[in-house]
Amino acid sequence: GESVGLHLPTLSVQEGDNSIINCAYSNSASDYFIWYKQESGKGPQFIIDIRSNMDKRQGQRVTVLLNKTVKHLSLQIAATQPGDSAVYFCAENSGPGGFKTIFGAGTRLFVKA
Amino acid sequence: KAGVTQTPRYLIKTRGQQVTLSCSPISGHRSVSWYQQTPGQGLQFLFEYFSETQRNKGNFPGRFSGRQFSNSRSEMNVSTLELGDSALYLCASSLTPTGVSYNEQFFGPGTRLTVL
Repeated sequence: GESVGLHLPTLSVQEGDNSIINCAYSNSASDYFIWYKQESGKGPQFIIDIRSNMDKRQGQRVTVLLNKTVKHLSLQIAATQPGDSAVYFCAENSGPGGFKTIFGAGTRLFVKA
Repeated sequence: KAGVTQTPRYLIKTRGQQVTLSCSPISGHRSVSWYQQTPGQGLQFLFEYFSETQRNKGNFPGRFSGRQFSNSRSEMNVSTLELGDSALYLCASSLTPTGVSYNEQFFGPGTRLTVL
């Protein structure tokens, strides 16, 4: 498959463990944040989003935490599975006069069976 | 419902040539955004179109341009190709423009452009 990024930060976890992927965003005015998953050879896929008026949001096996004080976002994946292996991006919507989605550099998650 | 489709999936060009990439959004989606993805720079926003109008533009030179048709299909063009233009070009569609409401962007598989 195609390589998304050859020099990304990498997180390696054992199958069944919980994973935590962190992201620092840049614009304190951003008010909408999204986590995406990108598997090899595919485009990014939406996982979960959160608005700035919340500090936590839960989905199926995933939880996003937002700390606006330090401009930090995290994605927690419970009971990580081999199918979770991918590159994960956080994104923020910001920009005057309209949104520009700004993506973080990405983190590669390896799940060991 | 069919997802976002991009054609071609792979393309090889030489420096100085131009290229046109195509994106068909999900049926009913009127907003199309384009992104460039490279290992060194990650995902970078190129531009967004809604109802045939460019709403937003990223920090790319004028060699990068795009357009949207009345059926919401979009094309992007890169003229006078440079080696550094080699990348995965991703298209994403959404119901409404980003910034109007919080709505999910659906990405296509991308077009892998290699410039030799």
